[in-house]
Amino acid sequence: DIVLTQSPATLSLSPGERATLSCRASQSVSTFLAWYQQKTGQAPRLLIYDASNRAFGIPERFSGSGSETDFSLTISSLEPEDFAVYFCQYRSIRPPGFGFGPGTKVDI
Amino acid sequence: EVQLVESGGGLVKPGGSLRLSCAASGFTFSNFAMNWVRQAPGKGLEWVSAIGGGGDMTYYADSVKGRFTVSRDNSKNSLFLQMNGLRAEDTALYYCAKKVGGIAMAGFDSWGQGILVTVSS
Repeated sequence: DIVLTQSPATLSLSPGERATLSCRASQSVSTFLAWYQQKTGQAPRLLIYDASNRAFGIPERFSGSGSETDFSLTISSLEPEDFAVYFCQYRSIRPPGFGFGPGTKVDI
Repeated sequence: EVQLVESGGGLVKPGGSLRLSCAASGFTFSNFAMNWVRQAPGKGLEWVSAIGGGGDMTYYADSVKGRFTVSRDNSKNSLFLQMNGLRAEDTALYYCAKKVGGIAMAGFDSWGQGILVTVSS
């Protein structure tokens, strides 16, 4: 089974700073990787699909990159509403399925 | 506007059963694969099950295989999750989620608000 590792577990930054979150897969997932933001008491929100494509309505300050086993999510300049937990998710073709990383908390 | 509304959760004893439902609106339901994802209190996200748009292809996480069954009724824009043999570790908030469309491979672009399932004696 594929295992996703996210680092760091917690990222302490200030508004206006740049955030770079890492997601590493135990084996290649090609570009079948997504990123989500989750705030307390809310459902996850899709930010990036297929490694580098911003979902509908997502601000340009969010960007994704990577392929195979190494991926990153960058928030170019943190806004107060960006402080949340971020999860990465892979899709596997063989066997078919999905999995999530443990999350990175971005806090002040 | 896409809307996904889960129902059917509650408190159940270990070994018991529950059937979750997800009512979908705002999109052509039969055109999209759908998923169930759960989140135990204070924990991360766990993918549970997926079903293709036509309902013929179904997939499960190892943790629920043989106990849970996903299905859909495209005539009623509804997704279901039949959960049997429930265990304490199945306690979680269960979300239904729509897979992103087109040729995209990875991403769930719409989520319900979640429904709580508690397994306890």
